[in-house]
Order: sequence, then C-alpha cells, then structure tokens
Amino acid sequence: EIVMTQSPATLSVSPGERATLSCRASQSVSSNLAWYQQKPGQAPRLLIYSASTRATGIPARFSGSGSGTEFTLTISSLQSEDFAVYSCQQYYDWPRTFGQGTKVGIK
Amino acid sequence: QVQLQESGPGLVKPSQTLSLTCTVSGASISSGGYYWSWIRQHPGKGLEWIGYILYSGSTYYNPSLKSRVTISVDTSKNQFSLKLSSVTAADTAVYYCARGPWGAAIDYWGQGTLVTVSS
Repeated sequence: EIVMTQSPATLSVSPGERATLSCRASQSVSSNLAWYQQKPGQAPRLLIYSASTRATGIPARFSGSGSGTEFTLTISSLQSEDFAVYSCQQYYDWPRTFGQGTKVGIK
Repeated sequence: QVQLQESGPGLVKPSQTLSLTCTVSGASISSGGYYWSWIRQHPGKGLEWIGYILYSGSTYYNPSLKSRVTISVDTSKNQFSLKLSSVTAADTAVYYCARGPWGAAIDYWGQGTLVTVSS
C-alpha cells in the first residue's frame, strides 16, 4: 500500500501567520491527493482535492500544491477556527491511505 | 444536503462481532457513481480505510482487515452496514461511514461513533 508521511507532526503558529504543511507519498499518486481538516470530536472535512482544488465553501486562504510524491497545504493567514488537525489522503490506489496528520496549534 | 449517520453498539466484547449501520439521507445509494465506505480512527491516531461497497453490492476490503470484514448494502432502506468479526482491544476506535464519488476524494462523512472493545 502507499504510505503517506506528513510533516511536521505539530506546528505552532500565531493567528495571522502563514502555515505550511507537507505530505509525502511513498510512490507517485499523480494529483490524486486530498487534504482534510479535523477538529476534536468532529468528522474530517474535505478542504482540497486533486492536490490543488478547493472544495465547495473552503476559504481562499487554503491552497494546495504538488504532484507525484510531494504535496503542500498552505494556510495563508491563520484564523482562530483553523487550529485543527490536517490530514492528507491519496486516492490513486486501493486501499486509500491517509497521513498521520499535522496538528496546527496556537503559538 | 447529504447526511450519513452511524448507529450500533458502543461496547463490544472481545472475540465478538462489531456491527454498525450507516443510514444515508439526501442521496440515494441506488443512484450509483459513489463508493460507500467505512473508515476508522484509533484514539489519537490517523485514519484507516476499512473498505467500501457500491450500490451493486461489489465490495473492496483493506487487505489488513479482509479476513474479518463484511460490508453489505440495503438499498431499500438506503443503508449500508459493517461487520467486523473476532474483535480485540485493538479494534477500539471511532468508526465513520462516508461517501466518495468514484475515483475522487470523500465528500461526505458521518459524525462517527466510538466503539470500545472490552469485557
């Protein structure tokens, strides 16, 4: 199966600052990469699909980039509601696999 | 608005079978074009794909769980179900049902249900 590795595991950011999260696949997944946001006690929420396309209703401060094995999620100016865990997921092959998540906390 | 809701026992004894049902509203499983999935999350850990079912009844199971998993669908009730046999404490997790367009990312998730395996 394709292993997804996220870094860093934890990121401390001040409100208004930029956050950059990384996701690496153990083999190419082309652009079949999604990013999800998860808050405590809630289900994941789709943010980005096809590596760089924002899902419906997702603010423009969220952007995704990359292809193949290296991907990045950028939050341009962190708002209070953005402090959460972010997970990447490949849907290139079965079983679909997720990264272990990056927790974005308040600095 | 598509909604998915998991239901089932929150406590299961070791060696028994975990059974959960996902009720879908706002969309018809029979309409096709989607995979209906079960995904779990161990406490404080990442997400693990258990498997999916299509409206036709075709299934795919994660090889790591394949010997113990059965996913079924009841299109008349617009529900799909998960059975996981011979559970151990390692199966304690939040279980989510979810929908994804074929060949794409998951777009709708249930709220999740915690299942604890304990005697």
